[in-house]
Amino acid sequence: GAVVSQHPSWVICKSGTSVKIECRSLDFQATTMFWYRQFPKQSLMLMATSNEGSKATYEQGVEKDKFLINHASLTLSTLTVTSAHPEDSSFYICSARVGAGNTEAFFGQGTRLTVV
Amino acid sequence: RKEVEQDPGPFNVPEGATVAFNCTYSNSASQSFFWYRQDCRKEPKLLMSVYSSGNEDGRFTAQLNRASQYISLLIRDSKLSDSATYLCVVNKEASKIIFGSGTRLSIRP
Repeated sequence: GAVVSQHPSWVICKSGTSVKIECRSLDFQATTMFWYRQFPKQSLMLMATSNEGSKATYEQGVEKDKFLINHASLTLSTLTVTSAHPEDSSFYICSARVGAGNTEAFFGQGTRLTVV
Repeated sequence: RKEVEQDPGPFNVPEGATVAFNCTYSNSASQSFFWYRQDCRKEPKLLMSVYSSGNEDGRFTAQLNRASQYISLLIRDSKLSDSATYLCVVNKEASKIIFGSGTRLSIRP
């Protein structure tokens, strides 16, 4: 299947700093990517839809100024957690589809963020 | 009401048993449905798509009931390696993928 690469796989940062997470589609172009967050023993919660060349669409309750999304090319979307706090510690996963419609979604490996 | 609801489990069954999970969704306009499997601290991976006619892949059978808005997953002859969290996934409008909370399955020897 298609490959989605996410980096870094884990990061520890100090409270108040910003962290950037990259999501790349390695062997296909993705006009749309999705960012999810998963807290322990909970499901993946959709945070936002990243659209190449335009603004991201955020889900209700997700602060767009805190979680900055940039989708500058057809193979790269980035999520920046600004002014991170301990409550932002979570597992962040991106996904992308090959083409449009109801096809399978491929996921990055996830980034485990710990804010201390 | 959550858009996608699953019994969180955990289901703890002996090896060789048959186990079934159900999942309900609230949006009748939902277009497609999947079961994903997620191992601890890993990303989800597609287990199987769910079609209106139902589909089977080895020991796994998935079914969709649009009238009642639920999908199911049946695992026969369960193996130790089947232990994981099973996520019910629904494709909404604009290609949004919504996950259920997941059902944890533990297979004991």
